[in-house]
Amino acid sequence: EMQLVESGGTLIQPGGSLTLSCAASGFNVSNTYMSWVRQAPGKGLEWVSVIYRGGATYYADSVKGRFTISRDNSKNTVSLQMNSLRAEDTALYYCARVMATSSYYFDLWGQGTVVTVSS
Amino acid sequence: SYVLTQPPSLSVALGQTATITCGGDDIETKTVHWYQQKPGQAPVRVVYADGDRPSGMPERLSGSNSGDTATLTISRVEAGDEADYYCQVWDSRSDFVFGTGTKVTVL
Repeated sequence: EMQLVESGGTLIQPGGSLTLSCAASGFNVSNTYMSWVRQAPGKGLEWVSVIYRGGATYYADSVKGRFTISRDNSKNTVSLQMNSLRAEDTALYYCARVMATSSYYFDLWGQGTVVTVSS
Repeated sequence: SYVLTQPPSLSVALGQTATITCGGDDIETKTVHWYQQKPGQAPVRVVYADGDRPSGMPERLSGSNSGDTATLTISRVEAGDEADYYCQVWDSRSDFVFGTGTKVTVL
């Protein structure tokens, strides 16, 4: 069974750094595109970052320069390094697999990990 | 950046039809995907590529895309359809874009 399990979310002070991890099973992250999507409390979905099969990475303007997505093929994991965290980064962070056909969409989601940025 | 606008809420009687719109500039030139999210759960893809359904998704859910509006239609609404629904496109300048979301309430 294909599955994504996120971890690493916690309460952290503004300005701090945190790394989220997404463990994949049932498929290889090296063969696909992987993404992070977040959802602030009571709000809608917001795309955060994507890493393409070839290793190219892209970010939402709201996190560009602060967040870094990476992939560890040997561990079959995807990570999100978050620096200079702000209160507005508080959200449930989902890891999602991207299906690339004629367009791009999310076909597999984890259950998410909660990041709270507060003093 | 590309913007997708959805009505914040929609109420529909049991057994009736729910029509959820997703507005975007010339959205018909893009491919639209739809997700359902129930409270406390991760989103689930319900329609992709404008109108295709994932395996196991009931035929009651259908999608279309024309002009500046994409539409998710839920026929014969059931209590289990009560959820938030999001449209999504990929845009070459904005990458992945989600709609603002629509909360569907079943009466």
